[in-house]
Amino acid sequence: KQEVTQIPAALSVPEGENLVLNCSFTDSAIYNLQWFRQDPGKGLTSLLLIQSSQREQTSGRLNASLDKSSGRSTLYIAASQPGDSATYLCGRGYQKVTFGTGTKLQVIP
Amino acid sequence: ETGVTQSPTHLIKTRGQQVTLRCSSQSGHNTVSWYQQALGQGPQFIFQYYREEENGRGNFPPRFSGLQFPNYSSELNVNALELDDSALYLCASSLKLRTSSYNEQFFGPGTRLTVL
Repeated sequence: KQEVTQIPAALSVPEGENLVLNCSFTDSAIYNLQWFRQDPGKGLTSLLLIQSSQREQTSGRLNASLDKSSGRSTLYIAASQPGDSATYLCGRGYQKVTFGTGTKLQVIP
Repeated sequence: ETGVTQSPTHLIKTRGQQVTLRCSSQSGHNTVSWYQQALGQGPQFIFQYYREEENGRGNFPPRFSGLQFPNYSSELNVNALELDDSALYLCASSLKLRTSSYNEQFFGPGTRLTVL
């Protein structure tokens, strides 16, 4: 059974800090990795998709990396802002998405 | 380009009733997946429809069923509702090129179902 783990479960940082969110998988089979953002009570917004043949993707202040050999992905957020406060979910994608339980981020002004 | 839409946004039902949730996929997409998200948890895969056929199912009982229509919109039906069915139901659409491929998934805003 595929397991997805996200660490930490919650994170509180002052505005302007750079931060890293972690995501790990129990197997290193060929898969794609997608990071999402979820605001309270809302749907998921796709942030970055890393195809299985890629090692990282960047969009603005966000950078996501994928290490298949260790079954890990990280999401790096540069210069955090209060508007970044949300829950961040990573998902292993192969036909369907298997999600972790997310990291709840709070950026304090 | 129209994004993924879901209806209704909120729904309250009583135990034993039946419910139908609806999803319109993003323009150009041919695949819809449904997920159940309990409070404080990550979404759990229910099933996927690709070209009007079920293309994979998660660990959910048969009282969870679905349909996909020729325009690629989809319905999720849940019979004999239980209290534990209370959750946010999300649908996601994508453009799938073959049954086993994965492409970026785009989620709708969800339907909040409360079972009393």
